[in-house]
Amino acid sequence: DTGVSQNPRHKITKRGQNVTFRCDPISEHNRLYWYRQTLGQGPEFLTYFQNEAQLEKSRLLSDRFSAERPKGSFSTLEIQRTEQGDSAMYLCASSSTQGYGYTFGSGTRLTVV
Amino acid sequence: SQQGEEDPQALSIQEGENATMNCSYKTSINNLQWYRQNSGRGLVHLILIRSNEREKHSGRLRVTLDTSKKSSSLLITASRAADTASYFCATDSSNDYKLSFGAGTTVTVRA
Repeated sequence: DTGVSQNPRHKITKRGQNVTFRCDPISEHNRLYWYRQTLGQGPEFLTYFQNEAQLEKSRLLSDRFSAERPKGSFSTLEIQRTEQGDSAMYLCASSSTQGYGYTFGSGTRLTVV
Repeated sequence: SQQGEEDPQALSIQEGENATMNCSYKTSINNLQWYRQNSGRGLVHLILIRSNEREKHSGRLRVTLDTSKKSSSLLITASRAADTASYFCATDSSNDYKLSFGAGTTVTVRA
């Protein structure tokens, strides 16, 4: 396992389209997090999973956003009916239950045109 | 909303000089962590300091924590061009391992 993998690296989509991102965490890590980062800002928490259970969702995660982590392995983040304001870097991270630091993926940069 | 605030927002130094950045936070914490982010990339974990620790070292990094002032500092000694990046502090609290990040300090090391 070489780290957290995110796909795709970049996504350009037209407003109104649906997009889905994938995150493959470090296999020994049972916690998985999604963050969103806009230019010049720090990452903002979206949601996290412990194993397959989604334990917390931010108010930032509107009804258009949904995340899953089937069988506690990889995770997907789907955005329906994308808006220009959804343009951002979407970061995935994983950690063990000891919470000793997160390992981040390289992110998926979404551009909504 | 973001828990931490870094200061300064941007820092430009000459190679070989030290870089110091500060982080202030609002609520009590379990741990405070520092991360580095190169342009357009993910974040890399640098160091974690627990709420009962006051100082920690890792290579050229030194982190201090003052829980009475709700603040931390990150010192990078003998900076290199490769240290050019944005640096973020992040905190977690109680049994919640969710991290809250500040807006970051952008460090530019000039050759």
